[in-house]
Amino acid sequence: AQSVSQHNHHVILSEAASLELGCNYSYGGTVNLFWYVQYPGQHLQLLLKYFSGDPLVKGIKGFEAEFIKSKFSFNLRKPSVQWSDTAEYFCAVNGGDSNYQLIWGAGTKLIIKP
Amino acid sequence: DARVTQTPRHKVTEMGQEVTMRCQPILGHNTVFWYRQTMMQGLELLAYFRNRAPLDDSGMPKDRFSAEMPDATLATLKIQPSEPRDSAVYFCASGLRGAGEQFFGPGTRLTVL
Repeated sequence: AQSVSQHNHHVILSEAASLELGCNYSYGGTVNLFWYVQYPGQHLQLLLKYFSGDPLVKGIKGFEAEFIKSKFSFNLRKPSVQWSDTAEYFCAVNGGDSNYQLIWGAGTKLIIKP
Repeated sequence: DARVTQTPRHKVTEMGQEVTMRCQPILGHNTVFWYRQTMMQGLELLAYFRNRAPLDDSGMPKDRFSAEMPDATLATLKIQPSEPRDSAVYFCASGLRGAGEQFFGPGTRLTVL
């Protein structure tokens, strides 16, 4: 069965620090990959997605993610975080027989100290 | 600006009462998902539909939960009878088959006393 692993459940950073959130998935076929963000009290919103092509994907608000097929990874990065990036971040995978649903990671709660 | 809408946004009810949550997917989307989110369990998929037909509801407690799509513009999630452990935020999301991306509604925050 497919699964998605997010290594860190909680991350605390200071403003201007660099961010990298890990995401690994288990599936051997073609996948579509997503990062969603959930700000406090709000719904999930798409940050960025990878379907094909350039493995370095740029999303909204300065976020980017790199798909490394050999490592089954899709890590999220941002060079300099802001207090407003405080949120929960979810990695998700769609592929194979899960044609319609996303397989979700457990989420990483990010707290940015001002 | 197309959005998924959900009603009600907040619901407080007493144990044993019936709760119905409604979702209007984005026009033209053919897949609809119901999720439940709690602090303890995180985000859980309850059920999903394609072209109004239920594809998987294995994440849903069958004895008290039911999900339907009476038409392409309305999805419902019903809990009868409700229990305090059902307290959670329930999200509806819609998407297009094969595209993968899901668009989430604002959620219904349910509190069962």
